[in-house]
Amino acid sequence: DAGVTQSPTHLIKTRGQQVTLRCSPKSGHDTVSWYQQALGQGPQFIFQYYEEEERQRGNFPDRFSGHQFPNYSSELNVNALLLGDSALYLCASSLVTSGRGETQYFGPGTRLLVL
Amino acid sequence: KQEVTQIPAALSVPEGENLVLNCSFTDSAIYNLQWFRQDPGKGLTSLLLIQSSQREQTSGRLNASLDKSSGRSTLYIAASQPGDSATYLCASMEYGNKLVFGAGTILRVKS
Repeated sequence: DAGVTQSPTHLIKTRGQQVTLRCSPKSGHDTVSWYQQALGQGPQFIFQYYEEEERQRGNFPDRFSGHQFPNYSSELNVNALLLGDSALYLCASSLVTSGRGETQYFGPGTRLLVL
Repeated sequence: KQEVTQIPAALSVPEGENLVLNCSFTDSAIYNLQWFRQDPGKGLTSLLLIQSSQREQTSGRLNASLDKSSGRSTLYIAASQPGDSATYLCASMEYGNKLVFGAGTILRVKS
């Protein structure tokens, strides 16, 4: 049973460019959340997708956008990259049941460096 | 707005020692409290999840407690080993499966 997978593992971009990160959830999961983890800090919630729609969003600018596909996989897009966007981007998947706090399973992350 | 704080920021202990990591949160309206482990440059591994109605959870040498009224959780690690060296993160879960993380405690267990 494959866990959460993310691609690519590492990425180097320059300021102003655009980037797309990809995530495949754990088998059977229907919800994908994205987190940004800057060096030395805890992950911060970016947004969550369920049934191909953005269900919740954290305090991130509109430069951060996403998409969820019918097979529940997801993409995170970041436009007009800034140096401060350099971070580890984590994807987490879960299965919505009661909505009262299901375990989230995290992928290995994508390390983005903006030069 | 929920804020999660972890103390200490870093901890270095000799092998075999029992230790306690602390986590505090400002809003008690949480669904659950989770503890994660993160190895350098890697993703997060879930260690323990305590539902809001529970007081503690145990897995092997790990025990986590939750006191919602005081806004505190602790992770107890018994008989620490060098392989326990990692960053430990606590996170509160809010409505809609959104996790709010602390900054983590970096643990080093010396052999």
